[in-house]
Amino acid sequence: SYVLTQPPSVSVPPGQTARISCGGNNIGTKIVDWHQQKPGQAPVLVVYDNTDRPSGIPERFSGSNSGNTATLTISRVEAGDEADYYCQVWDSSSDHWVFGGGTKLTVL
Amino acid sequence: QVQLVQSGSEVKKPGASVKVSCEASGYTFTSYDVNWVRQATGQGLEWMGWMNPNSGDTGYAQKFQGRVTLTRNTSKSTAYMELSSLRSDDTAVYYCGRVYCSRTSCYFDYWGQGTLVTVSS
Repeated sequence: SYVLTQPPSVSVPPGQTARISCGGNNIGTKIVDWHQQKPGQAPVLVVYDNTDRPSGIPERFSGSNSGNTATLTISRVEAGDEADYYCQVWDSSSDHWVFGGGTKLTVL
Repeated sequence: QVQLVQSGSEVKKPGASVKVSCEASGYTFTSYDVNWVRQATGQGLEWMGWMNPNSGDTGYAQKFQGRVTLTRNTSKSTAYMELSSLRSDDTAVYYCGRVYCSRTSCYFDYWGQGTLVTVSS
């Protein structure tokens, strides 16, 4: 089955840029979505279709996907961005949705 | 506005079954697939399966095949997830999610608030 690999944690000072990676075999051929989850809350979609943002999500959130790595980039990080972030793809070979293990973003 | 409202917390004994509901509002229930995802305490998201509310067609993650059943009641705009033969490691928060499909891709655009299922003797 398809595997998505994320770093367990990323830490950045406020105002800096956070980059959260999501590795997978030829993930650049797939469509990646990203969800943000704050403690005790349901996930929230922040990037879909590799690079698009749902309405209401700040422009500071952006995504890219190429080769074996997809990346969620959060510019000008704020304290309110502290959360777990999950990448997700549809694996057509198994007809399964697959989530990465999640990355905890800490704002120093 | 789109809302998915799930049923309340459950406590079950090992070997029992649990049925969680997900009531949709703010959109045409039969137009979008409903998926189910669970999350054990301190762990990541785990996909369980999908259901097409219009046709009733379903697909399940291999891990849950034979133990999970997804159904719906279109007159109530409600989807259901039933998990049987519960074990302690089924203790988790269970989420429903709506999947929107554009011309180019499908994605989870709305989530329910989650339902805690605790399995304990």
